[in-house]
Amino acid sequence: ETGVTQTPRHLVMGMTNKKSLKCEQHLGHNAMYWYKQSAKKPLELMFVYNFKEQTENNSVPSRFSPECPNSSHLFLHLHTLQPEDSALYLCASSQGLAGGYEQYFGPGTRLTVT
Amino acid sequence: GIQVEQSPPDLILQEGANSTLRCNFSDSVNNLQWFHQNPWGQLINLFYIPSGTKQNGRLSATTVATERYSLLYISSSQTTDSGVYFCAEIKAAGNKLTFGGGTRVLVKP
Repeated sequence: ETGVTQTPRHLVMGMTNKKSLKCEQHLGHNAMYWYKQSAKKPLELMFVYNFKEQTENNSVPSRFSPECPNSSHLFLHLHTLQPEDSALYLCASSQGLAGGYEQYFGPGTRLTVT
Repeated sequence: GIQVEQSPPDLILQEGANSTLRCNFSDSVNNLQWFHQNPWGQLINLFYIPSGTKQNGRLSATTVATERYSLLYISSSQTTDSGVYFCAEIKAAGNKLTFGGGTRVLVKP
């Protein structure tokens, strides 16, 4: 498998559920990112990891908990979400962290919170 | 903060037509990318173009960093070109992609 993959592609969960989103990159990159795309809003960065270490948390509520066990895998653990958290969650990776590196995106997980 | 503005917000084209999409940014940038988001949500990399001109088939892009804008040209448009086109930039000292609001393109047969 090549590029950036995400599972599941679709997820419906209740507000009391706990679920996890998974991202895997097969590009040998060192940096990974979570983005959120809500309806009628620009894509917004959530978290940045570089060599497994979190380097940025863009004021994301604690009901979203990221985990990066190695440079190839990134998880987003979800618990007690709200309906307004329904969105497309996109994972990306890049060779390095500095702005000069191109970012590549996965296909996204479309999340619906009921 | 940096703002990224795209125009037009919506564009309807007849198949075979040419078009130009514009992206304005408010600060010096280190990275400027153009993406095409297909109906299933996948962001497809089109160009990594912090400056200069690049071409890939029917698509080309030009970034004039000193004037803080980038243009994406679509020539001989096809129905498969439909979708949302985003530009995104990272400022010179940062590592966060900031996206514009996108241009929604519909190519009619």
